[in-house]
Amino acid sequence: DAKTTQPPSMDCAEGRAANLPCNHSTISGNEYVYWYRQIHSQGPQYIIHGLKNNETNEMASLIITEDRKSSTLILPHATLRDTAVYYCIVSSAGNNRKLIWGLGTSLAVNP
Amino acid sequence: DADVTQTPRNRITKTGKRIMLECSQTKGHDRMYWYRQDPGLGLRLIYYSFDVKDINKGEISDGYSVSRQAQAKFSLSLESAIPNQTALYFCATSDSQGGNQPQHFGDGTRLSIL
Repeated sequence: DAKTTQPPSMDCAEGRAANLPCNHSTISGNEYVYWYRQIHSQGPQYIIHGLKNNETNEMASLIITEDRKSSTLILPHATLRDTAVYYCIVSSAGNNRKLIWGLGTSLAVNP
Repeated sequence: DADVTQTPRNRITKTGKRIMLECSQTKGHDRMYWYRQDPGLGLRLIYYSFDVKDINKGEISDGYSVSRQAQAKFSLSLESAIPNQTALYFCATSDSQGGNQPQHFGDGTRLSIL
């Protein structure tokens, strides 16, 4: 599975959009991009995933570049409760799929 | 995720003791996983199971064993606990349908070994 690179930390003002980048330059054609977040020491929470098309759900939007070598998670109106560590993970589908976790981006949403 | 329940939530024990951490799920998922997380680090996979008769080692399985008693239950055992197994342990589940379904996590077990 391809590795990902994320900035270690980011800040965002409450009410503003938070744009979290992720590089996955070695991604292969059958690998999906997943985003999770972890608040304090709680269990990681699934946010969104995609293969090549942009995706949107009630929590966030995922923008994947045309060459699929990078992606951006967008929280459209960040709140204080969005303060968390955000993990970008690339993993293939199928029976042998496992998630390889990096260190993520620690997002601080400030009032 | 309230559909994935881990017990106990916290445990303090002594070196050499046998410990079992339990995970049960009501999501109807066939796949289950055990991870550990050390301070400031990402999650590392210990064991995973794709159905009741399937058990696979992850990247850090030494010192651990698992049992998949039923589709809904997956337990992790430390046969003889040692201090460097002090960590936060997470259970997760996923659905095999479609091949790309996300994992859903329990709230974790904080384990301290003295």
